[in-house]
Amino acid sequence: NAGVTQTPKFRVLKTGQSMTLLCAQDMNHEYMYWYRQDPGMGLRLIHYSVGEGTTAKGEVPDGYNVSRLKKQNFLLGLESAAPSQTSVYFCASSQGRLKSSYEQYFGPGTRLTVT
Amino acid sequence: KNEVEQSPQNLTAQEGEFITINCSYSVGISALHWLQQHPGGGIVSLFMLSSGKKKHGRLIATINIQEKHSSLHITASHPRDSAVYICAVKSFGNEKLTFGTGTRLTIIP
Repeated sequence: NAGVTQTPKFRVLKTGQSMTLLCAQDMNHEYMYWYRQDPGMGLRLIHYSVGEGTTAKGEVPDGYNVSRLKKQNFLLGLESAAPSQTSVYFCASSQGRLKSSYEQYFGPGTRLTVT
Repeated sequence: KNEVEQSPQNLTAQEGEFITINCSYSVGISALHWLQQHPGGGIVSLFMLSSGKKKHGRLIATINIQEKHSSLHITASHPRDSAVYICAVKSFGNEKLTFGTGTRLTIIP
């Protein structure tokens, strides 16, 4: 089992460019999450999904979009990158309500710099 | 919204010392998560607990639901325990976690 993987690991974007971050999990988990981590702050939830085809906004959703077309994949899109989106992005997954387990398993992170 | 506070923010100790990291939260929860983040960034789940105590190797996590408080203990600390330890809580009826800002632990040989 690879667990949770993220692509890419690093990326530098110019202001206004777009990109998609891919998260994949092979644990058949129902729930998936995208977080950002900034210095001095706790992990903040951007968007999450409680099942294939569903998404919901988290704490800091502005400037991001997500899609969950397949159960194992959760994509995070930045349509027009801004320097304020410079951060480390983590994806996580959990079994969710069906198995009453919300323990989250994290990917290795993507370090994004917007210049 | 649940407020999660960790203490201390930074902790430096000598190898072999017994370590305690604390987490307090403001609203009743259904579960609490302890996570470890090493330099280099990867985040690993240590424990998820809703009552009592859990032990894994040299790590022990306890939770007091009435006092809205959890502690993470490390016995016989080792330099490889140096990491940021993060507490997160899951509120009732909520699929999301609320995270503390972490405790940075440094163990000196």
